[in-house]
Amino acid sequence: SQQGEEDPQALSIQEGENATMNCSYKTSINNLQWYRQNSGRGLVHLILIRSNEREKHSGRLRVTLDTSKKSSSLLITASRAADTASYFCAPLPLSNFGNEKLTFGTGTRLTIIP
Amino acid sequence: EPEVTQTPSHQVTQMGQEVILRCVPISNHLYFYWYRQILGQKVEFLVSFYNNEISEKSEIFDDQFSVERPDGSNFTLKIRSTKLEDSAMYFCASTGPSITGELFFGEGSRLTVL
Repeated sequence: SQQGEEDPQALSIQEGENATMNCSYKTSINNLQWYRQNSGRGLVHLILIRSNEREKHSGRLRVTLDTSKKSSSLLITASRAADTASYFCAPLPLSNFGNEKLTFGTGTRLTIIP
Repeated sequence: EPEVTQTPSHQVTQMGQEVILRCVPISNHLYFYWYRQILGQKVEFLVSFYNNEISEKSEIFDDQFSVERPDGSNFTLKIRSTKLEDSAMYFCASTGPSITGELFFGEGSRLTVL
């Protein structure tokens, strides 16, 4: 398994602005997933992008994937106070399916200033 | 919407005592996981479980830890003799039968060892 490395470690923006977080990983992947964790709570799956996809949207979320650079980005548009949380990327390695464990990095701590 | 439920939400125990943390995964899921998060640190993989046996375990998951699925619905984590450093949030997660690897997490059990 492998973990993603999120960048920046922390990000503070005004409510209504867009937030962009980046992720880098090391080996070939089946897919890459983004999760959110509110303080003291469980992780919540946000969006999954497959290795043959370059961009995916879900509501205010936009994810891109560049497998040649082994990187992904998560864009949250029109941010809200409720978006304040830690965000993690989790690459699912290509070599295993189904029961491969996801490994999490230190995440990006996003703070939305009202 | 189906969810992973965990009990207790918070447990305080004395060092050396046995603790059992319980999880009810989503009913048609096939793969089960325990993760833990020490306060302020990242979410760490402990163990994965499939087909009634451990698929993989981390270095953290030593002989003091065990897991079982006693009745086809509950998934438990037992810590035989707790140490101070076992204080953490413990998260249960499940996935499948899809092979995408999207994890569904419970809200966690906070363990405090005194």
